[in-house]
Amino acid sequence: GENVEQHPSTLSVQEGDSAVIKCTYSDSASNYFPWYKQELGKRPQLIIDIRSNVGEKKDQRIAVTLNKTAKHFSLHITETQPEDSAVYFCAAFDFNFGNEKLTFGTGTRLTIIP
Amino acid sequence: DTEVTQTPKHLVMGMTNKKSLKCEQHMGHRAMYWYKQKAKKPPELMFVYSYEKLSINESVPSRFSPECPNSSLLNLHLHALQPEDSALYLCASSHDQQSSYNEQFFGPGTRLTVL
Repeated sequence: GENVEQHPSTLSVQEGDSAVIKCTYSDSASNYFPWYKQELGKRPQLIIDIRSNVGEKKDQRIAVTLNKTAKHFSLHITETQPEDSAVYFCAAFDFNFGNEKLTFGTGTRLTIIP
Repeated sequence: DTEVTQTPKHLVMGMTNKKSLKCEQHMGHRAMYWYKQKAKKPPELMFVYSYEKLSINESVPSRFSPECPNSSLLNLHLHALQPEDSALYLCASSHDQQSSYNEQFFGPGTRLTVL
């Protein structure tokens, strides 16, 4: 089955600076990679995703890059703001027939320092 | 309606009680999921329903019993739970299980405490 590793587990960034979170996956059959943001006591919310036929995707201050050869993908947040403070989870969608499911990384607690 | 809803928001139950968690979506999604999330951990998949049929059971103990009465509803029946089952139970839905349109939308969760 799929295994997703995520680093770092905690990240503190000065407001206005950039934050980068990295994930690696094991199964070359995975071809969909979403990122979820979860604020304390709230549901995980999809913030950006990327499919394996694309190398990079950007949405305002958030971007995701994917290197299929190396099996790693990264989340980039620029011009960070206090409301970016949350736990971020990467995930990989395993398309193995009959076992299609999301496998999550272990999460990164991002703190933006005002 | 673009939301997944869950009831109740909070539930406290004893180890001998029987209770049910409910999840509903009206986005026409044909895949629905139950996840368990412990504090500071990622969501852990429990069950997947695809077109109202159980597709994946991640070796979940039988004290958790899922049910999908129709394409919009998903229940999780609880019986004889243990204190270690205390967690946030999240429901999610997606267009379907296998297609490329598989963004999962999560409900707000039920915070379960087993005494």
